[in-house]
Amino acid sequence: IQMTQSPPSLSASVGDRVTITCQASQDIKNYLNWYQQKPGEAPKLLIYEASNLETGVSSRFSGSGSGTDFTFTITSLQPEDIATYYCQHYDSLPLTFGGGTKVEIE
Amino acid sequence: QVQLQESGPGLVKPSETLSLTCTVSGDSSSLYYWSWIRQSPGKGLEWIGYIHYSGNTDYNPSLKSRVTISRDTSKKQFSLRLTSVTAADTAVYYCAKGNWNDFQSWGQGTLVTVSS
Repeated sequence: IQMTQSPPSLSASVGDRVTITCQASQDIKNYLNWYQQKPGEAPKLLIYEASNLETGVSSRFSGSGSGTDFTFTITSLQPEDIATYYCQHYDSLPLTFGGGTKVEIE
Repeated sequence: QVQLQESGPGLVKPSETLSLTCTVSGDSSSLYYWSWIRQSPGKGLEWIGYIHYSGNTDYNPSLKSRVTISRDTSKKQFSLRLTSVTAADTAVYYCAKGNWNDFQSWGQGTLVTVSS
């Protein structure tokens, strides 16, 4: 299953609403996770099962979608949100990731 | 709180075998799956495979013929072995803990370069 993220990168201002999309090459129901990877660090699980926030993760982050089309949103971009965000499906093996979306501050 | 730490050579020659170990501190219970994931500029994040506490394994078909993941529960370690490496295997290799379908905790990653 191929996971396609868009855009590959984006630049936004502090306080902006940021939206990232992830499209699966086939129906994956809601079997989707989102990760955040800050520069020089390992990825961190933010959202599981498309829309469930991992414990301790800021409520600025949210996810939605099912089937083939998914959305990840940061409601009010903060400087500490600078990172690359990845989606990952788990409909079947092999587990695969999207190509990532790099989020920068304008 | 679990912590994971990768260790192993940072440089491997082409056609040789890459071997890495992940040492787990904290919760290493039988509930979890222990994975290897790699990240290269050309291919992004790639799941290599996992091993369950029971010893059951699953591998990415793209690497299956070259990969072995094993574990030593007494040492709280699990290992990756990748044979016949080429430059395309140059990447940062991460170990991670989670359910079969996610990666909840990650090691810091270790860069492995394949070069003569």
